[in-house]
Amino acid sequence: GAGVSQSPSNKVTEKGKDVELRCDPISGHTALYWYRQSLGQGLEFLIYFQGNSAPDKSGLPSDRFSAERTGGSVSTLTIQRTQQEDSAVYLCASSRGIGNYEQYFGPGTRLTVT
Amino acid sequence: GQQLNQSPQSMFIQEGEDVSMNCTSSSIFNTWLWYKQEPGEGPVLLIALYKAGELTSNGRLTAQFGITRKDSFLNISASIPSDVGIYFCAGRGSTGANSKLTFGKGITLSVRP
Repeated sequence: GAGVSQSPSNKVTEKGKDVELRCDPISGHTALYWYRQSLGQGLEFLIYFQGNSAPDKSGLPSDRFSAERTGGSVSTLTIQRTQQEDSAVYLCASSRGIGNYEQYFGPGTRLTVT
Repeated sequence: GQQLNQSPQSMFIQEGEDVSMNCTSSSIFNTWLWYKQEPGEGPVLLIALYKAGELTSNGRLTAQFGITRKDSFLNISASIPSDVGIYFCAGRGSTGANSKLTFGKGITLSVRP
């Protein structure tokens, strides 16, 4: 079946602009995660959604970052007033939900802030 | 917080060789996962382990859940050029009720033909 999809695949924006990154999880997966991966680095957890529960936002680096998940499916990660240090690959993953820890990743969105 | 250690950061091997990677934790983990990431792609799940001592294979890959529950190993046998990539370990500890994983920083594997 279809895997996790993300759009756009690449985004170049000017410093100070807002950007929105989209994630479509695997159908039926109730858990959705956002990660940030800087060049040559590991995965930095940003936010986690599980069903209709309040999201775990503990990894968001600043209040310029926010995410929502509509209808328990598609998620949007928004970065306001982008800074050059926000340049990274933003990865989305989904899993079946509580008690299942196998996360499946999308291809990522490469964000470049100029 | 929980941390996973993977070292060295890079490994260089000759095609046909076997290679072993390990991942260690500062605390007990209940789940270990191994992922591979190729350039421009997201990480792909290779093997999932749920029980101490468990040994699981996926083709030429074999992973083990350490009996101390603080480590895991991934072995690749008879390496080929397409094994090139970054190998991440990930785990979930025994505390907390959510499904968040902790990831290692990854090991970049290069295979010389």
